[in-house]
Amino acid sequence: EVQLVESGGGLVQPGGSLRLSCAASGFTFSSYSMNWVRQAPGKGLEWVSYISSSSSTIYYADSVKGRFTISRDNAKNSLYLQMNSLRDEDTAVYYCARDFDWLLPWGQGTLVTVSS
Amino acid sequence: AIRMTQSPSSFSASTGDRVTITCRASQGISSYLAWYQQKPGKAPKLLIYAASTLQSGVPSRFSGSGSGTDFTLTISCLQSEDFATYYCQQYYSYPPYTFGQGTKLEIK
Repeated sequence: EVQLVESGGGLVQPGGSLRLSCAASGFTFSSYSMNWVRQAPGKGLEWVSYISSSSSTIYYADSVKGRFTISRDNAKNSLYLQMNSLRDEDTAVYYCARDFDWLLPWGQGTLVTVSS
Repeated sequence: AIRMTQSPSSFSASTGDRVTITCRASQGISSYLAWYQQKPGKAPKLLIYAASTLQSGVPSRFSGSGSGTDFTLTISCLQSEDFATYYCQQYYSYPPYTFGQGTKLEIK
């Protein structure tokens, strides 16, 4: 069964940092591009970042560019999102999702709360 | 970035109804469109990709159509488990992938 499991969310103060992880199983992780998508409480979906299978191509939403860094470790079947200089507006559930251009599947999400 | 606009933002329907949700792109996206269903507290689930291709395991009462700028998601006979929020997503031009604002389908 294809599965994605996020971890690393929590409460952090504005200006702080957090590293999210996404553990993949049930498929050849190294063959697929991956994404992070977030959803603020009560709001819609916002794409955050994309990384190709070999990490050669990386994209970010303008809202996180320069503050967030996506990476992956194909040997560990894991995807990461390093989030620095966090702001109140980064509060959201963060999902990882496998890329087919469409997103399939999605993990269950991990909640990041930025608050003092 | 391509802007995706869904209508309506929310509406009420009854079990057994036929419902249609519309998604409009700010520029032509050919058929590079996906639809997702999201239930409260859960991750989005892919329903349709390439505007009209049903994802494996999704009930046949769901269908998608359209190309260019105008797209529809139709549920032919609403079931209780279909009450959820639906999102469209374009993948014609990225970054960024962009989503519609969502359509919340509630029980009448």
